[in-house]
Amino acid sequence: EAQVTQNPRYLITVTGKKLTVTCSQNMNHEYMSWYRQDPGLGLRQIYYSMNVEVTDKGDVPEGYKVSRKEKRNFPLILESPSPNQTSLYFCASSALHISGIGSYGYTFGSGTRLTVV
Amino acid sequence: ELKVEQNPLFLSMQEGKNYTIYCNYSTTSDRLYWYRQDPGKSLESLFVLLSNGAVKQEGRLMASLDTKARLSTLHITAAVHDLSATYFCAVDIGSGRDDKIIFGKGTRLHILP
Repeated sequence: EAQVTQNPRYLITVTGKKLTVTCSQNMNHEYMSWYRQDPGLGLRQIYYSMNVEVTDKGDVPEGYKVSRKEKRNFPLILESPSPNQTSLYFCASSALHISGIGSYGYTFGSGTRLTVV
Repeated sequence: ELKVEQNPLFLSMQEGKNYTIYCNYSTTSDRLYWYRQDPGKSLESLFVLLSNGAVKQEGRLMASLDTKARLSTLHITAAVHDLSATYFCAVDIGSGRDDKIIFGKGTRLHILP
């Protein structure tokens, strides 16, 4: 089954304790992205990657890191989490059309609900 | 700065009624997406609109795109309770290296039986 898999689904952690949220897709998609969803703010892009070893900042990258060493994996790293990073996180992937994402849109993972206390 | 604005942000309506959700965006794009999100769930792709004048329909939902007006609509016909969810529009900007998708804040639709 074609899917984007995120782990964990739920995570409660303490301020300053490094954590990684994993994301893996089995569709051979070039494009992967991380979003956070907060009430009243919709989805905001954190980082995205157009292909292996190519990553770029989205709209809210502060406090996050990513890597794209393999095409299928795009982990999100919080080196020193803070309470304002409490949120619902989504990983998404897409094939790339010749002119960009256009023809396909995203496939989303199930989400990771992160609480930082 | 690109803005994607949905209107209304919250809608409560009776079953059997028709209504339209609007999505306005502030920069040139001919690629727009609609997603549905149920509470506590992920986002599900509903429609992909790729050109001016594109219209797509699935059941009681119909989406259209007017790139000149920078406007997309999601029309609900004879609403049923199962359509209660949050609906997001998202606009694809750029191409090549800078391609990205910007989401609206979502419209929470509540359909009363």
